[in-house]
Amino acid sequence: KQEVTQIPAALSVPEGENLVLNCSFTDSAIYNLQWFRQDPGKGLTSLLLIQSSQREQTSGRLNASLDKSSGRSTLYIAASQPGDSATYLCAVRQRGSTLGRLYFGRGTQLTVWP
Amino acid sequence: SAVISQKPSRDICQRGTSLTIQCQVDSQVTMMFWYRQQPGQSLTLIATANQGSEATYESGFVIDKFPISRPNLTFSTLTVSNMSPEDSSIYLCSVGGGTQAEAFFGQGTRLTVV
Repeated sequence: KQEVTQIPAALSVPEGENLVLNCSFTDSAIYNLQWFRQDPGKGLTSLLLIQSSQREQTSGRLNASLDKSSGRSTLYIAASQPGDSATYLCAVRQRGSTLGRLYFGRGTQLTVWP
Repeated sequence: SAVISQKPSRDICQRGTSLTIQCQVDSQVTMMFWYRQQPGQSLTLIATANQGSEATYESGFVIDKFPISRPNLTFSTLTVSNMSPEDSSIYLCSVGGGTQAEAFFGQGTRLTVV
């Protein structure tokens, strides 16, 4: 069974720092990997989607990389801001499982203080 | 992208009662997914709902407890039946069922059972 792990579980940094959030998965047979943001008590907002054939995706201050063979992805946040405070979740879509079903990590809770 | 409206956004319910959560999508989709997020945990798939067929439930979830309707290609409901405090969670609907597709989520329903 696919297992997704995110490190660290929590991170608190001052504004302006560059950050790296880590995600690892046990089964490399995936279609894609997706990073989400979740504000407290709310739904998920899609940040970046990386297909299994891709190495990275960028959107604004966010850059996500994927190393499928080693089962790792990182989310890089440049010049962090207090508005980036949220929980960041990664999820993989596994080949051979229920079509469209995602496996999630527990998330990294990020706090950026001014 | 897909826009998903989920209602209610939150509710406080008495144990033994039932709550029906609605999910409306702004475009036609084949597959809709229902997830549960218990406090401090990540998302767990409850079931997959395809229009015109019975929902497919994941291990540990049963139709009597979580009946699902999917009357058309833009709408689905999830009912949490005979609720207990252990059902207190955030419930989320999602779309994006293709192998390459990006997943999108509603804003979630925060359920508290007292």
